[in-house]
Amino acid sequence: KAGVTQTPRYLIKTRGQQVTLSCSPISGHRSVSWYQQTPGQGLQFLFEYFSETQRNKGNFPGRFSGRQFSNSRSEMNVSTLELGDSALYLCASSWVSVNTEAFFGQGTRLTVV
Amino acid sequence: KNQVEQSPQSLIILEGKNCTLQCNYTVSPFSNLRWYKQDTGRGPVSLTIMTFSENTKSNRRYTATLDADTKQSSLHITASQLSDSASYICVVSAGVTGGGNKLTFGTGTQLKVEL
Repeated sequence: KAGVTQTPRYLIKTRGQQVTLSCSPISGHRSVSWYQQTPGQGLQFLFEYFSETQRNKGNFPGRFSGRQFSNSRSEMNVSTLELGDSALYLCASSWVSVNTEAFFGQGTRLTVV
Repeated sequence: KNQVEQSPQSLIILEGKNCTLQCNYTVSPFSNLRWYKQDTGRGPVSLTIMTFSENTKSNRRYTATLDADTKQSSLHITASQLSDSASYICVVSAGVTGGGNKLTFGTGTQLKVEL
């Protein structure tokens, strides 16, 4: 059974640009959540999607957005990139919600220069 | 404000020794508590998940305890191996009105196992 797949693994963008990250959950999982991990702040919750609807949202600015497709695949978009957005972005999939076992992908390492 | 605090921040032990990592939380309403192991540059991997009614759970050489009254959890690693070198993250799930849950993460304990 394939795990959570995130693409791309690495990304370098320039300040002011926008970026889209992709996450394919484990087959059958309907909940996808996104996290930002930085050395200073640790892991922080961005948002959770379930059945194409955003169900929970963390405390991030509106530049961070996401969506989920009918096949449960999810994308996260960050617009007007700032240097501070450099981080490891992780997504996790769960059967129903993050209250059930959450499986993480390998992450996308975003570097903003 | 929901918070999860872990101690120590970092730890170095010799291979074969045991160690215990601590997690204190103020998360409400409590749903469950998980311990994750994260190798450098990789996604976290679940070790244990405990609900309110469980006070101990084991996964191979990892044993987690939960005291819901004092809001404390510990992760005990037995007979450590070099491959145990990683960050160990305590995560507490809180129920959210309308369904779903919100996870609060600790900043992790960085464990290094040496020969």
